[in-house]
Amino acid sequence: EVQLLESGGDLVQPGGSLRLSCAASGFTFSSNVMCWVRQAPGKGLEWVSTISSSGARIYYSDSVKGRFTISRDNSKDTLYLQMNNLRAEDTAIYYCAKRGPSYSRDAWGQGTLVTVSS
Amino acid sequence: QSALTQPASVSGSPGQSITISCTGTSSDVGGYNFVSWYQHHPGKAPKLLIYDVTYRPSGISNRFSGSKSGNTASLTISGLQAEDEADYYCSSYTRTTTLEAFGGGTKLTVL
Repeated sequence: EVQLLESGGDLVQPGGSLRLSCAASGFTFSSNVMCWVRQAPGKGLEWVSTISSSGARIYYSDSVKGRFTISRDNSKDTLYLQMNNLRAEDTAIYYCAKRGPSYSRDAWGQGTLVTVSS
Repeated sequence: QSALTQPASVSGSPGQSITISCTGTSSDVGGYNFVSWYQHHPGKAPKLLIYDVTYRPSGISNRFSGSKSGNTASLTISGLQAEDEADYYCSSYTRTTTLEAFGGGTKLTVL
């Protein structure tokens, strides 16, 4: 069974940093594209970032480009999201997801809550 | 503001069919067959319902179907059931500065 377990969400002050982790199991992590998607309170899903299976290709949404860094450790089956210079509008539940056919996401974690507030 | 436009809400009675639209541009929905649909019950992980416009993953009921015409994709749910009450999102590859885009989401109420 595919499992994705996010961790690292917390309350952080504006301008602060946080690193999210996503532990994967039940599939060959190193062969799969992975991504982060977030949902702000009362809002819809928003794509954040995608990383190729090897980590060589990385993409970001305009809203986080230059502040967030996606990475992966295929030896640990773990996906990361380093978030710097956090803003109030980054407050959201952050989900990691496994890329499915084409540009779909066929497995999701339960999410981890990031709150940016003073 | 989401790149893809969905109605904020739709409703239907048990047993009826409903359709949710997802309107984009020729740079995303209209230009590629990379539209996917997700069901999201609050507090739970989203679930993939449809990929590549019309394909259902293994285990997804054939009550869920997808289609596309021009720049608008659609999700149809037939034989509505109480457990279908959830938020539904479309997503598409986009040939813009971003890679992927979501719709704003549609809340389905089963009356």
